[in-house]
Amino acid sequence: DGGITQSPKYLFRKEGQNVTLSCEQNLNHDAMYWYRQDPGQGLRLIYYSQIVNDFQKGDIAEGYSVSREKKESFPLTVTSAQKNPTAFYLCASSIRQGNEQYFGPGTRLTVT
Amino acid sequence: DQQVKQNSPSLSVQEGRISILNCDYTNSMFDYFLWYKKYPAEGPTFLISISSIKDKNEDGRFTVFLNKSAKHLSLHIVPSQPGDSAVYFCAASEDSNYGQNFVFGPGTRLSVLP
Repeated sequence: DGGITQSPKYLFRKEGQNVTLSCEQNLNHDAMYWYRQDPGQGLRLIYYSQIVNDFQKGDIAEGYSVSREKKESFPLTVTSAQKNPTAFYLCASSIRQGNEQYFGPGTRLTVT
Repeated sequence: DQQVKQNSPSLSVQEGRISILNCDYTNSMFDYFLWYKKYPAEGPTFLISISSIKDKNEDGRFTVFLNKSAKHLSLHIVPSQPGDSAVYFCAASEDSNYGQNFVFGPGTRLSVLP
């Protein structure tokens, strides 16, 4: 079964702690993306990666970091510098950047 | 300033009737458009796409129309079914051949009433 997995589905953290969200795909896609969704808003791009060992900032990268050491994996770290970290985080991948994106099930992060 | 707008936050339609979801964009360089469907607490799933060389694309019950001069696209679902109840996002990108990222609209919540 090919697809994208994100874990965990729900995550709770205390303010001031860094937290890493997992994203794995076995679709052999080159490009991967992280978005966040807030109520009443569309998906906003945090970071994206066109290829292994390369990534670029999206529209709202401040307070986040990523790595792309393997083609299959694109973890997102939400740092304590992110002012409003509570959100629904979505990971996606596509064959190449610019093609249709396939999304994981999402992780809902709550920071208190 | 939102480049992709979905001005109706919600829409209710009777089962069996047509659902029409609208999307407007401001960037005239956008030339590739996608529609996604999203259920609560799940990731969006890709529905249908259209490029600017076409004005219509059809896939089963789903048809997307593109009016480039009006910078407007719409998704038609006929006939609507209760399982179509979800949030629908449109997304646009500029010249997909060069790998531009997509800009997503805020979404429209469709409720199909039995």
